[in-house]
Amino acid sequence: GESVGLHLPTLSVQEGDNSIINCAYSNSASDYFIWYKQESGKGPQFIIDIRSNMDKRQGQRVTVLLNKTVKHLSLQIAATQPGDSAVYFCAEKYTTGGGNKLTFGTGTQLKVEL
Amino acid sequence: AAGVIQSPRHLIKEKRETATLKCYPIPRHDTVYWYQQGPGQDPQFLISFYEKMQSDKGSIPDRFSAQQFSDYHSELNMSSLELGDSALYFCASSLSGGADYETQYFGPGTRLLVL
Repeated sequence: GESVGLHLPTLSVQEGDNSIINCAYSNSASDYFIWYKQESGKGPQFIIDIRSNMDKRQGQRVTVLLNKTVKHLSLQIAATQPGDSAVYFCAEKYTTGGGNKLTFGTGTQLKVEL
Repeated sequence: AAGVIQSPRHLIKEKRETATLKCYPIPRHDTVYWYQQGPGQDPQFLISFYEKMQSDKGSIPDRFSAQQFSDYHSELNMSSLELGDSALYFCASSLSGGADYETQYFGPGTRLLVL
């Protein structure tokens, strides 16, 4: 079946550095992508999303890049802070028969070192 | 801003018992989704509802059922509970027709432990 996956299960960065979390997806028909941050024991928190007609979108300290040619998605976090430590999930959605479900990839644990 | 509310937050049940999880979406949101997240796993889609009608179905066991009510809140009913049902259950909501109609906002989850 279709799947979304992440290359790195754990990413350690120094406080103040930039972080890049990568995600590969397999369904070229996916038309919507979203990044969530999940802290221990909490629900996924929306970070940023992007539709397939875009290749870049910026938010506050975060940027999502979409490369449809190689089916790759990345989340860039600028000036990483200790509060950014969490598991990050990418998810994809494709509308087939009106479906709205999100398919999540394996999370990446981001650890920010002081 | 108001968020998705889930109750209870924690639930302990015995095998073969039943459980009911409740979800109250963000005000004005008309679509709700249920996800199951096992330990160390990514969330898996179970089922979704739009305007009280089932809109999509994922890997939801036949022992589970769900519905959405006229006030848009939703309930996930789980019967004949098994040990493997122990997980975090998340509800998410979205607003169809809004600028961010595709964005699903998640609640804090219900942690279910089946003994």
